Amino acid sequence: ETGVTQTPRHLVMGMTNKKSLKCEQHLGHNAMYWYKQSAKKPLELMFVYNFKEQTENNSVPSRFSPECPNSSHLFLHLHTLQPEDSALYLCASSQDRDRRSPLHFGNGTRLTVT
Amino acid sequence: AQSVTQPDIHITVSEGASLELRCNYSYGATPYLFWYVQSPGQGLQLLLKYFSGDTLVQGIKGFEAEFKRSQSSFNLRKPSVHWSDAAEYFCAVAALPAGSQGNLIFGKGTKLSVKP
Repeated sequence: ETGVTQTPRHLVMGMTNKKSLKCEQHLGHNAMYWYKQSAKKPLELMFVYNFKEQTENNSVPSRFSPECPNSSHLFLHLHTLQPEDSALYLCASSQDRDRRSPLHFGNGTRLTVT
Repeated sequence: AQSVTQPDIHITVSEGASLELRCNYSYGATPYLFWYVQSPGQGLQLLLKYFSGDTLVQGIKGFEAEFKRSQSSFNLRKPSVHWSDAAEYFCAVAALPAGSQGNLIFGKGTKLSVKP
């Protein structure tokens, strides 16, 4: 068991749809992250939450809207996406924002925008 | 600026052969270094990490890595590769300070294929 669970595993959506990605961590961690992984690109950090507060937003378009209701749950709300948003979206958590805290990743949601 | 370079995009080795994946970093102080592995359809899993002390660190699945400050390298090794090692491998350095890069700066990854 990974300790970080993401649902759904696969999602196909049209450009006018609204959908949400869910992430839950069972590790008692305080920091949670959304990453985007596209082919032939490094992992792109999208958002960081620490103790439920958003601490980083890396110039992500507003069609991506994160929500962190508590330290165990993280959502990524999607609306009016573009085909170039198709990618693997990875959620991760860490004990805290200490640089030595390893990231623990979920298995990702494979998103296809048609 | 901090950065991580993995010069090999794709490597193919025969099962049972030894493996070395290269990683170079750019950093102004003592780095905190990590190797992650991503199997197909999975998220990233931590293989090993280096913070200080012994420059040869052991990880899971029989992997080890050696920190060489003079070469700014943190290469990953395995003496005998198994078919199940086929995956993508990511080297990462902890960002200083943790901020817009999150905790880690990742390399672009090296994809490992294993021939029977």
